[in-house]
Amino acid sequence: KAGVTQTPRYLIKTRGQQVTLSCSPISGHRSVSWYQQTPGQGLQFLFEYFSETQRNKGNFPGRFSGRQFSNSRSEMNVSTLELGDSALYLCASSLSSRATYNEQFFGPGTRLTVL
Amino acid sequence: SQELEQSPQSLIVQEGKNLTINCTSSKTLYGLYWYKQKYGEGLIFLMMLQKGGEEKSHEKITAKLDEKKQQSSLHITASQPSHAGIYLCGAGSNTDKLIFGTGTRLQVFP
Repeated sequence: KAGVTQTPRYLIKTRGQQVTLSCSPISGHRSVSWYQQTPGQGLQFLFEYFSETQRNKGNFPGRFSGRQFSNSRSEMNVSTLELGDSALYLCASSLSSRATYNEQFFGPGTRLTVL
Repeated sequence: SQELEQSPQSLIVQEGKNLTINCTSSKTLYGLYWYKQKYGEGLIFLMMLQKGGEEKSHEKITAKLDEKKQQSSLHITASQPSHAGIYLCGAGSNTDKLIFGTGTRLQVFP
């Protein structure tokens, strides 16, 4: 069974630009969650999608948005990039939308660098 | 909001030594997960603990959950260089979001 895939793996952008990251979950998984990981803040929850609906959202500005398609693939978009958006963006897929008692499988991440 | 604190933040051990990593929650735990991460890569699932007193083992790694103390521990026996990485605990919260601890960086030298 193929794991969670994320594209691209590496991305370099400049301030003010926008970026779109993609995540393909494990086949059969309907929940996709996105996380931002930085050395200073650690791993922080961005949002979660289940069956094309956003089920949960973290404390991030509106510049961070996402969506999920009918095949469960998900994209996240960051507009008007800031230097502080440089991070490793991880997506995770799971069978259900519950955070408890529900194993999440993580992708390799997309390393975003904002110059 | 709920927070998970891990200790120690960093650990350097000699190969063959045992070690323990702790994860303490500021609120009631609704399931506890342990993940391992190689630098700059994704998280690898290690174990999930659901009930107080539960203990699980996989190869040389054992995790325990003390629900009353809102704490979990991860113990590695006879550490090997392959155990090196960042260990993260994660927990479900009452808002149904998965939150993560601050991480413990483990280095194992020969």
